[in-house]
Amino acid sequence: NAGVMQNPRHLVRRRGQEARLRCSPMKGHSHVYWYRQLPEEGLKFMVYLQKENIIDESGMPKERFSAEFPKEGPSILRIQQVVRGDSAAYFCASSPSGQVSFNTGELFFGEGSRLTVL
Amino acid sequence: AQSVTQLDSHVSVSEGTPVLLRCNYSSSYSPSLFWYVQHPNKGLQLLLKYTSAATLVKGINGFEAEFKKSETSFHLTKPSAHMSDAAEYFCVVRGSQGNLIFGKGTKLSVKP
Repeated sequence: NAGVMQNPRHLVRRRGQEARLRCSPMKGHSHVYWYRQLPEEGLKFMVYLQKENIIDESGMPKERFSAEFPKEGPSILRIQQVVRGDSAAYFCASSPSGQVSFNTGELFFGEGSRLTVL
Repeated sequence: AQSVTQLDSHVSVSEGTPVLLRCNYSSSYSPSLFWYVQHPNKGLQLLLKYTSAATLVKGINGFEAEFKKSETSFHLTKPSAHMSDAAEYFCVVRGSQGNLIFGKGTKLSVKP
């Protein structure tokens, strides 16, 4: 039973290039969350998606960042025209139901994608 | 707004001695609180959760945490540290939108 799969695990980009990070949720999960972890910081919520819908993007920077979760295929976090400050670990998590059920509260995390911007 | 504060960025203990990782929360309503653990270059794993049932919550790997409303605390403890416990630990509170709000983390080192 595969867990949350993220790829690539490591990505190096030069300033101005685009970064695409992919996340396949656990089987049976239709809710995906993206978090960013900067060095010496906790995880910061970015966006919460269901299939074909963005539910909450209050943590997403207004420019250069976008996310989607199509009907078929993985969720994608896209960063355009990357800058050095985008260097971070990006974690995807999934849950079977929305808004992190009050009965379980658990999100299942992938191992992260580590973006380095040169 | 909900938030958590982890009082120590680093904690170092000797193997076999007790572990205490401190967390204080702020919430305008009865909170749901969690502890997650992150081993190096790995994803996060849920250790335990408090969702307004018993105030003493037992988790995996011998960890437990006690919810104290009067102190707005949710400290994580373990009676006897093991080398494999070396990791980063995050105290987490559920936000009003249903997402999880993380503390800055506490790195636990375990000396032989």
